[in-house]
Amino acid sequence: GQQVMQIPQYQHVQEGEDFTTYCNSSTTLSNIQWYKQRPGGHPVFLIQLVKSGEVKKQKRLTFQFGEAKKNSSLHITATQTTDVGTYFCAGSHSNYQLIWGAGTKLIIKP
Amino acid sequence: SQTIHQWPATLVQPVGSPLSLECTVEGTSNPNLYWYRQAAGRGLQLLFYSVGIGQISSEVPQNLSASRPQDRQFILSSKKLLLSDSGFYLCAWRGQGLQPQHFGDGTRLSIL
Repeated sequence: GQQVMQIPQYQHVQEGEDFTTYCNSSTTLSNIQWYKQRPGGHPVFLIQLVKSGEVKKQKRLTFQFGEAKKNSSLHITATQTTDVGTYFCAGSHSNYQLIWGAGTKLIIKP
Repeated sequence: SQTIHQWPATLVQPVGSPLSLECTVEGTSNPNLYWYRQAAGRGLQLLFYSVGIGQISSEVPQNLSASRPQDRQFILSSKKLLLSDSGFYLCAWRGQGLQPQHFGDGTRLSIL
């Protein structure tokens, strides 16, 4: 079936270092959404990308949607302790049902 | 504004007991509703979704069932819980079209 692959599964960084997570789909997506789940919490919607090649920024977070609408990335510049959590991408096709990536857990090294 | 309520927050049940988790949404009509399960440290597994009253689609065959008796009420049930049913259960709603999903606080279910 349709899948969205997300890598890496975990990323350990020192506070202040950058973080990136990648999502890839075997088929063209209508849109891609990004969510953040804090430890012990529920996923919270961050952003939606719809257009080919779209780039959106939220403070230190940069989201990209590939030209072919099959891949996406989330980059965090200069991570802070408040960034800790698991980041999920979720893509959809014309039926609007989301296909979730497995998530990337951001861990800040002490 | 729209809100989603999910309860209870935690639940400990013996193997073989029944289950009923309830989710309600306020401030919107005709939402798409979803039940997910998340194992510890893992991703989201879609269990059921509903596009309207009485309309339930099951994504994974299992001993769980879902019902939508009212437009903004979504219930997850089981007649006999298994150890493998342990996990974090999340309810979510979405408006029509390319809208994000909004999640409830979740229920942590432990089966003993």
